Amino acid sequence: QKEVEQNSGPLSVPEGAIASLNCTYSDRVSQSFFWYRQYSGKSPELIMSIYSNGDKEDGRFTAQLNKASQYVSLLIRDSQPSDSATYLCAITSWPGFQKLVFGTGTRLLVSP
Amino acid sequence: NAGVTQTPKFRILKIGQSMTLQCTQDMNHNYMYWYRQDPGMGLKLIYYSVGAGITDKGEVPNGYNVSRSTTEDFPLRLELAAPSQTSVYFCASSPDTGELFFGEGSRLTVL
Repeated sequence: QKEVEQNSGPLSVPEGAIASLNCTYSDRVSQSFFWYRQYSGKSPELIMSIYSNGDKEDGRFTAQLNKASQYVSLLIRDSQPSDSATYLCAITSWPGFQKLVFGTGTRLLVSP
Repeated sequence: NAGVTQTPKFRILKIGQSMTLQCTQDMNHNYMYWYRQDPGMGLKLIYYSVGAGITDKGEVPNGYNVSRSTTEDFPLRLELAAPSQTSVYFCASSPDTGELFFGEGSRLTVL
């Protein structure tokens, strides 16, 4: 079983809709969770981090973490064509931030 | 601040050749990383370092070597290049927060 699993997509949503991206992980001792956005041909950039169960909101982005069910999700409200990118889920496999493990990413397409 | 600088941006190697990908950061971050990304795939950790003189293997270290003699530099050495090493390589640094700052990537083709 892969450590971090994501649906590769593409996930297609119309402009203005809510995009929901999901990520599951296998290591129960995972401590910290991150969402990175990667535009085609570019390097990844951090958009959200979450460390405890529940929701964390930042502008149009909401990260949700459920450690009991071992999943983390990213909601993008009022999706814009500029949100079209690949979203990578990343976790730390043990306490600390030394080693970040990435999922394969979900490609999001927002149509005008 | 230049951030994380990788060179070269593009390189074509013949099978069996060796080369070094250079990575330099000017943010005084202790943590540095090398990832590779194959088409349509996520990032696979090759090696990482938590400080000068300290390195450790990631998920896919075979065929690579690293060194960390200074805080700023973290070169990745490819010995005896193979077609399976064709990929985009990303160097990143972190201030130990989980936020990685990536370089622009180095696209390597082994023919």
